[in-house]
Amino acid sequence: QKEVEQNSGPLSVPEGAIASLNCTYSDRGSQSFFWYRQYSGKSPELIMSIYSNGDKEDGRFTAQLNKASQYVSLLIRDSQPSDSATYLCAVNIPPDSSASKIIFGSGTRLSIRP
Amino acid sequence: DAGITQSPRYKITETGRQVTLMCHQTWSHSYMFWYRQDLGHGLRLIYYSAAADITDKGEVPDGYVVSRSKTENFPLTLESATRSQTSVYFCASSESYVGVYNEQFFGPGTRLTVL
Repeated sequence: QKEVEQNSGPLSVPEGAIASLNCTYSDRGSQSFFWYRQYSGKSPELIMSIYSNGDKEDGRFTAQLNKASQYVSLLIRDSQPSDSATYLCAVNIPPDSSASKIIFGSGTRLSIRP
Repeated sequence: DAGITQSPRYKITETGRQVTLMCHQTWSHSYMFWYRQDLGHGLRLIYYSAAADITDKGEVPDGYVVSRSKTENFPLTLESATRSQTSVYFCASSESYVGVYNEQFFGPGTRLTVL
């Protein structure tokens, strides 16, 4: 079982609608959760971080965390063509004998259609 | 300019050659990381460093060597390049690696092709 799982997509959403991206993780001890956006040919860009259960809003983006269900999601309201990108979920894996590490999911490709 | 830079941005080399990818950050972040990104595998951690002279293996360290003599630099060396090392390499840094200050910030990447 992969430690961080995402649907690879592509997820196609009409312009102006809400895009919902989902991520599940395997380690119940994880404490830090991140969403990165990656445009084709570019490097990942951090857009949201969340550390406690519930919702965290930043502009058109809302991150949702449910530790009991080991589930983190990203909602993008009023989707724009510029939101078309691959979205990477990243989760910290608590340390055993070494330092904590962050594991990335394989990403969900999002396409916003006009 | 502040930030994290990588050089070269593109590199073509031949099997068996030694290649060094450079990473430089101006934030004075303690932690630095090297990832490779391949289709179907996402981002995989090669090596990371907690501070100058402290490095540790990640998920896929074989065939790579790192050093960190200065906080701001974290070069990655492929001692004898193989075709399987053809990939996009990203360097990243973070203020911390535990707790709530472990957001990682990425450099622009180096696209490496091994013929």
